[in-house]
Amino acid sequence: DADVTQTPRNRITKTGKRIMLECSQTKGHDRMYWYRQDPGLGLRLIYYSFDVKDINKGEISDGYSVSRQAQAKFSLSLESAIPNQTALYFCATMGADASSGANVLTFGAGSRLTVL
Amino acid sequence: GNSVTQMEGPVTLSEEAFLTINCTYTATGYPSLFWYVQYPGEGLQLLLKATKADDKGSNKGFEATYRKETTSFHLEKGSVQVSDSAVYFCALDTGRRALTFGSGTRLQVQP
Repeated sequence: DADVTQTPRNRITKTGKRIMLECSQTKGHDRMYWYRQDPGLGLRLIYYSFDVKDINKGEISDGYSVSRQAQAKFSLSLESAIPNQTALYFCATMGADASSGANVLTFGAGSRLTVL
Repeated sequence: GNSVTQMEGPVTLSEEAFLTINCTYTATGYPSLFWYVQYPGEGLQLLLKATKADDKGSNKGFEATYRKETTSFHLEKGSVQVSDSAVYFCALDTGRRALTFGSGTRLQVQP
């Protein structure tokens, strides 16, 4: 099994629908992140969580919400989807590299969302 | 605030050509620097890293040297292969909240 698992991998929905993207990890990391990827814009941070009781907004949190159900689970919700939320969404966990101590991100495979 | 600037792509090379992808950064303190790679249809994965000035990160024939004086972390490979075709992201971490990523550079290697 992958270290970071995202579901669904692909989703097509209509404007105004509620959508939830789920993420689970087996790394045992406390820190989890949701990023959005758009062509030419790189990765932009939506929300991040340092533990179950610590949720923080990133640079583009408007229109999104998150829930940290457990250390291993971090879900992203779009309460009322709109077309400009069409993007590739990535979940990631962060932990210290054993050799260098540097914080390293481990990404899921991504969830492609299309809002019509 | 922190920022990472990468050269725009796509970069198109022939197999066995030399690769350089430029990356410069702005950050407070002494960040760790990273290159992540995204192969088609996949998530990002760590390619290499450097945690202090003059460190050289290396992996799979790729190298990058942390240059504090020029605030740069350019990615190089002496001889690219078709299998290196991917999107490459430069990133920094100041240990505060999350990594800051550049916009990504697409590399296309032709046989």
